[in-house]
Amino acid sequence: EAGVTQSPTHLIKTRGQQATLRCSPISGHTSVYWYQQALGLGLQFLLWYDEGEERNRGNFPPRFSGRQFPNYSSELNVNALELEDSALYLCASSNPPSDYGYTFGSGTRLTVV
Amino acid sequence: GDSVTQMEGPVTLSEEAFLTINCTYTATGYPSLFWYVQYPGEGLQLLLKATKADDKGSNKGFEATYRKETTSFHLEKGSVQVSDSAVYFCALRESNAGNMLTFGGGTRLMVKP
Repeated sequence: EAGVTQSPTHLIKTRGQQATLRCSPISGHTSVYWYQQALGLGLQFLLWYDEGEERNRGNFPPRFSGRQFPNYSSELNVNALELEDSALYLCASSNPPSDYGYTFGSGTRLTVV
Repeated sequence: GDSVTQMEGPVTLSEEAFLTINCTYTATGYPSLFWYVQYPGEGLQLLLKATKADDKGSNKGFEATYRKETTSFHLEKGSVQVSDSAVYFCALRESNAGNMLTFGGGTRLMVKP
């Protein structure tokens, strides 16, 4: 069974540009979660999608947005990139309700220069 | 709201030493508790879990017991190896919060030969 896949693995963008990150959940999982992990810091919750709807949103500005497609894959878009957006962006999936927690992808390393 | 507090790292141990990483939580209901591990350059992996009071989760020599009276879920291992060097995250899922996970700040473990 394929795990959670994220693309691209690395992304370098210039300040002010837009970045698009993609995530494919485990087959059968309907929920997708996005987290930001800045260097040396813990996980900051960004967004939760389930069945195509945004269920919850973390404390991030509106330039962080996303969507979930009918096949449950998801996109995270970051507009007007700032230097402090440089981080590892992790996607996770689950099939709620679940006591097995999440399955994480390996992440996309976004560098803003 | 829900929160998870972990001991700050880094924790530096010699090989074969005993490991304890403290985790305490605040929750209004009866959460499920998890430990995740993140190896360098990778996403998070579920290490172990416990879904009710007094449950003990275990995996790969690691153990944690759900202590409702002290709201704790400390991670222990009797003899660490160099390969255990990683960042460890404690997390909880509230029973009335869908499948949302709340993470602690992470604890970096460094094991020296």
